[in-house]
Amino acid sequence: QQQVKQSPQSLIVQKGGISIINCAYENTAFDYFPWYQQFPGKGPALLIAIRPDVSEKKEGRFTISFNKSAKQFSLHIMDSQPGDSATYFCAASKKEAGTALIFGKGTTLSVSS
Amino acid sequence: GAVVSQHPSWVICKSGTSVKIECRSLDFQATTMFWYRQFPKQSLMLMATSNEGSKATYEQGVEKDKFLINHASLTLSTLTVTSAHPEDSSFYICSAIRASGDEQFFGPGTRLTVL
Repeated sequence: QQQVKQSPQSLIVQKGGISIINCAYENTAFDYFPWYQQFPGKGPALLIAIRPDVSEKKEGRFTISFNKSAKQFSLHIMDSQPGDSATYFCAASKKEAGTALIFGKGTTLSVSS
Repeated sequence: GAVVSQHPSWVICKSGTSVKIECRSLDFQATTMFWYRQFPKQSLMLMATSNEGSKATYEQGVEKDKFLINHASLTLSTLTVTSAHPEDSSFYICSAIRASGDEQFFGPGTRLTVL
């Protein structure tokens, strides 16, 4: 049973456009929702994360929108740049310390110049 | 701060041999470390969770006798792939959590190729 569903699988956006990636979760015990960026051959790097007590968090060009009732959260990349071309993973984990992240299947983003 | 390193970054070995991968938290003490594997164009799959000084907890379907995990200190965890076979070829990534938080810090990964 996949606990975190991510879409789309791939995304092509023009330079300067907005990239939107969506995730949905099933387990209401999840309370930490990070997004990771991964370049080929590298480990994932934390981009931005949110907890359920807020509906939106913005850091630079990256924004997470969170809808607790719908059990959905999304990543918005404003003014997308070719350097943003990478694979993005959403994830979720429970409140207990030391619990593992459950990852979505990933979205490959290509930003055309 | 919060840097995690892995060694080696890539390794090629013959079928039947064993390979050890090290994961170190360089500037913090990691109460918990995780090991993931990632096949090409796929997501990260959790293999096991390890806490310093105790036995690792393996995910369903992961052979604990094949993937030996030793979390010897608060800054070092090792994954040994025993009697490696070509199907074990993958990208192995570790992550670590500080005692003070829940953010996971990932290592750069180790590319294992078994011939």
